[in-house]
Amino acid sequence: GENVEQHPSTLSVQEGDSAVIKCTYSDSASNYFPWYKQELGKGPQLIIDIRSNVGEKKDQRIAVTLNKTAKHFSLHITETQPEDSAVYFCAASKAGSARQLTFGSGTQLTVLP
Amino acid sequence: SQTIHQWPATLVQPVGSPLSLECTVEGTSNPNLYWYRQAAGRGLQLLFYSVGIGQISSEVPQNLSASRPQDRQFILSSKKLLLSDSGFYLCAWSVPLLANYGYTFGSGTRLTVV
Repeated sequence: GENVEQHPSTLSVQEGDSAVIKCTYSDSASNYFPWYKQELGKGPQLIIDIRSNVGEKKDQRIAVTLNKTAKHFSLHITETQPEDSAVYFCAASKAGSARQLTFGSGTQLTVLP
Repeated sequence: SQTIHQWPATLVQPVGSPLSLECTVEGTSNPNLYWYRQAAGRGLQLLFYSVGIGQISSEVPQNLSASRPQDRQFILSSKKLLLSDSGFYLCAWSVPLLANYGYTFGSGTRLTVV
């Protein structure tokens, strides 16, 4: 089955700096890659996703890049703010799988004021 | 629009007591439903998923069970809780058989077994 590895497990940045979280996946048939943000005591919320026919997607300060050949994808957050502090999860899935998403182990991002 | 409800938000139960957590989805039909557990500071562990009424797949054999008595209702149960059952329990739903569609999570239940 699919295996998703996520790095780093913790990340601290100064406010205003950029943050990058990286994930690799094992199943070359995976074609959908969402990212979730989980604030303390809440359920994860989808923040951005990318499909395998696209190499990069951007939404304001958040961007995701995908390298299908290398089977890795990354989350980029620019101009970080304290409210970006949370746990971020990457995930991968392929069509037709009832089990659907396979999640990475999560990254605790702390933005220092 | 679709919404997912999960309750209770917090629960403190003694060891050996039963458990019932409920999740319901509104605004969609025949969703895929999922139960996840998250230990403190850890990742998302898939416990059960369901593609239809009465259809339950277990990912991790343990002290818990799941049931889906109605199309949009998913229940997580235990007959006798263990200390190790403590954690943050999340329900989620997704559109079945649709390529490239993510999950929507509920707000979670914080379970503490004492």
